[in-house]
Parts: sequence; structure tokens; C-alpha cells
Amino acid sequence: DGGITQSPKYLFRKEGQNVTLSCEQNLNHDAMYWYRQDPGQGLRLIYYSQIVNDFQKGDIAEGYSVSREKKESFPLTVTSAQKNPTAFYLCASSILFQNNEQFFGPGTRLTVL
Amino acid sequence: KNQVEQSPQSLIILEGKNCTLQCNYTVSPFSNLRWYKQDTGRGPVSLTIMTFSENTKSNGRYTATLDADTKQSSLHITASQLSDSASYICVVSLGSITGTASKLTFGTGTRLQVTL
Repeated sequence: DGGITQSPKYLFRKEGQNVTLSCEQNLNHDAMYWYRQDPGQGLRLIYYSQIVNDFQKGDIAEGYSVSREKKESFPLTVTSAQKNPTAFYLCASSILFQNNEQFFGPGTRLTVL
Repeated sequence: KNQVEQSPQSLIILEGKNCTLQCNYTVSPFSNLRWYKQDTGRGPVSLTIMTFSENTKSNGRYTATLDADTKQSSLHITASQLSDSASYICVVSLGSITGTASKLTFGTGTRLQVTL
């Protein structure tokens, strides 16, 4: 069963804690992305990676970190430096080709208590 | 500044009725425009994609149009069903070099509710 999986579906964090969101894909896609979705706003890009061991900051990277040690995996760490981390986080992947479609995972809802 | 604006913000229609959602964009350079459907608490799923040279694309009961001159797109849903209740997001892709990751600009979405 191919696709993108994210875990956990729901995550609760106390202020001051770092948390890591998992994203795995078995589509053999080179590129992977992390987005943040807030009510009334469009998705905003946090980080993206085009190749293993390389990643680029998106529009709102402050307070987040990522790694890309394997092609299939692109975990996102929300650090305590992120001032307003409560949001819905979406991971996506795509091939590297003009007009390529980004396929999205089911998302993780993070709530800071 | 690259922007994608959608209207209306929300819409309620009766099952079986048609509806049209609007999208205006100022993204440049333009590569393609997609419409995504996002069910509550789920990831977006692509419905249609149109490049600069295409002005209409259908996917079942969904028909998207694109006017690249006026930078406007619409998504028409015919014979709506309860399962069409979702957010519909217009997404514009910036032109990029082949072999590089696409950069997307997302609209805020139109929340559609189909009722009995």
C-alpha cells in the first residue's frame, strides 16, 4: 500500500518541550516537504528537501528543524523556540519534474498545553 | 508578492445543486494551477491540474477552468453530494527548473457544506 504516512495523528506538548513529527513515504519520491496549516490561512512551507542529507528553509523555518538521512523519511522537530506551535502539520512528497504533483500525508495535529 | 485569493470563504448548498468556486492569483512566473480537496482533519488530495495552455479540465463532477490572461480560475461542482463537503484549495505553482522542488502558493480555501 503506497503513500505517505505521518505519526502521530494527535500530539500534545507542554511548553518548553521539543517534539518530533514523523513522515515516511514509499513512493520513491526525491523531494519531501513540511507545511503548517492554521485556520483561515493557506498552507505555509516550513522546510523542504530535494535529496538525502540536504534540505532548505521554507517561508517559516524559525523554531523548526529537520533531517533527511534516508530518502523515505523526513522528520520535523518542533523546538521550544517556536513561539506558537499549535497547528496542523502536513508532510508532502513529489518527484523532481516540472508540473509535478505533491502528495500529502494525513497530517499531525499538534497542541501545546 | 505572490498571492492566491479564493471566494467565497464558505458556502452551503443543497444536495444535488451545482456550485462554482473562484480563485484569483498574482503568482509569477506561473507554472500550473491545481485544485485540491481537503476533508476535515485530512491531507489535501489533488482534483485537477492545469498548465498555462489549458483552459478547462474535468475530473468526474469537478470541472476547473483557467484564464491565464486575467489570472482567474474556477472550480465547478455539478450534482453535489454529501461527500463533497470539504475545503477546496486553489494552489499555484511557480515556474521552476526541471529537477528542482516545486514552490507552491496556497489559497486559504473555500469551505463547502452540502446539506440534505
